[in-house]
Amino acid sequence: AQSVSQHNHHVILSEAASLELGCNYSYGGTVNLFWYVQYPGQHLQLLLKYFSGDPLVKGIKGFEAEFIKSKFSFNLRKPSVQWSDTAEYFCAVNAPSGGYQKVTFGTGTKLQVIP
Amino acid sequence: KAGVTQTPRYLIKTRGQQVTLSCSPISGHRSVSWYQQTPGQGLQFLFEYFSETQRNKGNFPGRFSGRQFSNSRSEMNVSTLELGDSALYLCASSTNGRTQETQYFGPGTRLLVL
Repeated sequence: AQSVSQHNHHVILSEAASLELGCNYSYGGTVNLFWYVQYPGQHLQLLLKYFSGDPLVKGIKGFEAEFIKSKFSFNLRKPSVQWSDTAEYFCAVNAPSGGYQKVTFGTGTKLQVIP
Repeated sequence: KAGVTQTPRYLIKTRGQQVTLSCSPISGHRSVSWYQQTPGQGLQFLFEYFSETQRNKGNFPGRFSGRQFSNSRSEMNVSTLELGDSALYLCASSTNGRTQETQYFGPGTRLLVL
């Protein structure tokens, strides 16, 4: 069974600091990887996704993530965070289950950005 | 295009009751997935429906069931509610539910069981 680990449960940063959130997954085959964000009081939104090709993917709002297959990792990065990035971030893996979607989410990382 | 809608947004029930939640996917989307979100367990996959058929199921007891109608709208039912069923229930839709498709999430139904 696939699983996703997000080791940082709560991260506090000052504005302009750099961000890296870890995500590791366990699944031996081809996977599709996602990062979602949930702003306070809002629903889950897709930040970025990796299906194939260039392992460095860019998403919305200046976020990027790098897929490192050998490490089963898909870490999220942003060079300079803003107060508006305060939110909960979820890494997700979509591995085939009979050819169809079965998405497994990490437990989430709460990011608090201090002005 | 209108997004995924879920009704009701909030519900309060007591133990032993049953509840039905509704999800309307984005127009043209035929796959609907349900998730339970709790502070302790995070987001957990409940089941996925496509063309009125359940294709995938997570590790939840049989008290959790669902169905999908011919217009792709889906309902989720929880019978004999327990305190631990208090959670945010999220619905997500995608075109055909293939692994390379993006899922779009609704705002969720927050269920409180007393």
